[in-house]
Amino acid sequence: AQRVTQPEKLLSVFKGAPVELKCNYSYSGSPELFWYVQYSRQRLQLLLRHISRESIKGFTADLNKGETSFHLKKPFAQEEDSAMYYCALSGGYQKVTFGTGTKLQVIP
Amino acid sequence: GAVVSQHPSRVICKSGTSVKIECRSLDFQATTMFWYRQFPKQSLMLMATSNEGSKATYEQGVEKDKFLINHASLTLSTLTVTSAHPEDSSFYICSASDDRGSMLDTGELFFGEGSRLTVL
Repeated sequence: AQRVTQPEKLLSVFKGAPVELKCNYSYSGSPELFWYVQYSRQRLQLLLRHISRESIKGFTADLNKGETSFHLKKPFAQEEDSAMYYCALSGGYQKVTFGTGTKLQVIP
Repeated sequence: GAVVSQHPSRVICKSGTSVKIECRSLDFQATTMFWYRQFPKQSLMLMATSNEGSKATYEQGVEKDKFLINHASLTLSTLTVTSAHPEDSSFYICSASDDRGSMLDTGELFFGEGSRLTVL
C-alpha cells in the first residue's frame, strides 16, 4: 500500500523566512513524488515533481529514499506563497495518493 | 496548461435524489480520468479510475452502485451519486492527464474546480 504523510496541518512563517513543508511516504517500489498547490479559490495544480529536479517559484524538493521523505523547501517565503500544499505519490501509471495537505501562511 | 472543467460547481439536492457531475477535458484527450472525494480537513481520497469505453475501477470501500461513473468519450466523464443521502455531502474533484504522456511517465494531473454536493 502507498501512503503519504504530511505531519503539519498549518505552517506559519514570516515573509522572508525559510520554509520547509514536510512529506514522508511509504511505498515498496520506486515512487514518483509530486507537490501540488492550491491557491485561494483556485484549482489544484502541479508545483513540481521529483523526476524533473526543477525549481518552481523558488521551491525545491529532494527525494530522500533513505528517509522516505520529499520535503518542500524555499529559502525566503513570500506572501503569495500562502496556499494549501499537497504532497503526492504515484506508485503506478497515473494513480496518485495524496497527503492531507499543509496550509502555508506567510505573515507579512 | 491543459484545462479540466467540472460542472456543476455547487449542487444542493434532496435526500433520495440522484446528482450527476460532469468532468471535461477541454483541450486534450484523456482516456483515463480520476474521481476524488475530499472531506473537510482531510486528504483527497481516490474513489475510482474512469476508463473511456470500459468499466470504471473503484477503490476499496467505494460502492460502485452508489457512485456510477460513465466515460463515454475521450473528453467527458460523469459521476452520478445515486439516491443521495446527507453523508454523501462532500467535495468531489476530478482529474485527468493528457493521453500524449508515455506509459512510463505518470504525467501531470490536471484538476477540475471541484463540485460541492450538499444533500439535505
